[in-house]
Amino acid sequence: AQSVSQHNHHVILSEAASLELGCNYSYGGTVNLFWYVQYPGQHLQLLLKYFSGDPLVKGIKGFEAEFIKSKFSFNLRKPSVQWSDTAEYFCAVNPRQAGTALIFGKGTTLSVSS
Amino acid sequence: DADVTQTPRNRITKTGKRIMLECSQTKGHDRMYWYRQDPGLGLRLIYYSFDVKDINKGEISDGYSVSRQAQAKFSLSLESAIPNQTALYFCATSDSGRDYEQYFGPGTRLTVT
Repeated sequence: AQSVSQHNHHVILSEAASLELGCNYSYGGTVNLFWYVQYPGQHLQLLLKYFSGDPLVKGIKGFEAEFIKSKFSFNLRKPSVQWSDTAEYFCAVNPRQAGTALIFGKGTTLSVSS
Repeated sequence: DADVTQTPRNRITKTGKRIMLECSQTKGHDRMYWYRQDPGLGLRLIYYSFDVKDINKGEISDGYSVSRQAQAKFSLSLESAIPNQTALYFCATSDSGRDYEQYFGPGTRLTVT
């Protein structure tokens, strides 16, 4: 079965530290890739997405992610986190075939201390 | 996103009761989804619908049913609620012509006692 793995369940950083959240998926075909963010008490919002082209994609609020096809990975990065980045982050994959919904990872909680 | 609304936002119900969660969207999207979110488990797909006449079971459909009353409305029912259905429920929509990005509603927090 297709799955998405997020390696870190809870990450704790100080402000200005660099962030990298891992995401791997198990599907051999072509995929669309997403990172969503859920701020405390809010619904999910799209951070960034990859469909094709440049494997390094930039999203909102200074986030970026790199698609490495050979590693089935789509890691999220930010050079310098802020307290306001405290949230839960979800990686999601859509295998590009008709009739398939998004498959989400279990999420990574990021706590940033000021 | 105000384009996807869910009612109610919070609900407490008792074991054995039937409950319906409703989702409406004004985005004009053809695809709609229901997920539940549990701590440490992420989002799990319950049901999805790619158009009014197309309903599909997701990963965890047991104990749930859905109705797609119109393109803009997608309801989730718990026929006989049980405590382990206590969770945060999200509705989402997407446009089949636009790369499957999903837009989420604000969520319904359901507690079954």
